[in-house]
Amino acid sequence: EDKVVQSPLSLVVHEGDTVTLNCSYEVTNFRSLLWYKQEKKAPTFLFMLTSSGIEKKSGRLSSILDKKELFSILNITATQTGDSAVYLCAVSGTASKLTFGTGTRLQVTL
Amino acid sequence: KAGVTQTPRYLIKTRGQQVTLSCSPISGHRSVSWYQQTPGQGLQFLFEYFSETQRNKGNFPGRFSGRQFSNSRSEMNVSTLELGDSALYLCASSLDGQGDIYGYTFGSGTRLTVV
Repeated sequence: EDKVVQSPLSLVVHEGDTVTLNCSYEVTNFRSLLWYKQEKKAPTFLFMLTSSGIEKKSGRLSSILDKKELFSILNITATQTGDSAVYLCAVSGTASKLTFGTGTRLQVTL
Repeated sequence: KAGVTQTPRYLIKTRGQQVTLSCSPISGHRSVSWYQQTPGQGLQFLFEYFSETQRNKGNFPGRFSGRQFSNSRSEMNVSTLELGDSALYLCASSLDGQGDIYGYTFGSGTRLTVV
C-alpha cells in the first residue's frame, strides 16, 4: 500500500523566516510527487517532481526530490503571512490516483 | 479557462438519507477523481473515472458510488448516510488521469454534514 509521511505536523514561524517541509514516501511504480497548498478548500498546485536532484522553483518556493532516499523537501524563504496554509504532499504510482500525506500546517506570524 | 466546478458548496443531510454531488472538470479534461477529506484521515482517494469508465477505486464501502457522463462531468452518490461521512469531498480534474503533464486541478469541494 502506498504511503506518504509529512513532517513536521505543524509549524509556527515569524515572517521572514525560512522553512523546510519534509515528505517521505513509499509507492509502487513511482510516477511523480506533487506539492499542494490548501488554505480554505481547494488544494492549489505548487510543484510536480519526477526526476531526482532537479530543483523546481517558483518565487520564494522551491522543491527537490530524492528518489533514492524516497523523500522530498519544500522550502519557503522569506515567509509571509500569506504563506500560512496546510501544505500537502502526494505521490502518484501505477494507479490513476494520488496518495496524500496528512499535511504540514504552517502558520506565519508577524 | 474555467476551473473545476463542484456543486453544491454545502450540504446538510440526515443519517440514512442519500446525497449526490457534482463535479464539472476543466474543459478538455477527461479524468475526474474524487477524494474525501476529514481531519482525522486527511485526503483519501474514492474513485477515478476516465471516459465514462471507473478505472480505479479506493477502500470505501459500496455506499459510495459514482459515474461520469459523456461530457466528462461526474457525480458521486453516497447512500444510507452515516455520521462518519461528514467531510469535505473534493474532485480533481486531469487531462488523462495520470497527471503527468499538468498535475491534477482540484475543485473547491462540497462540505457535507450528516446530522
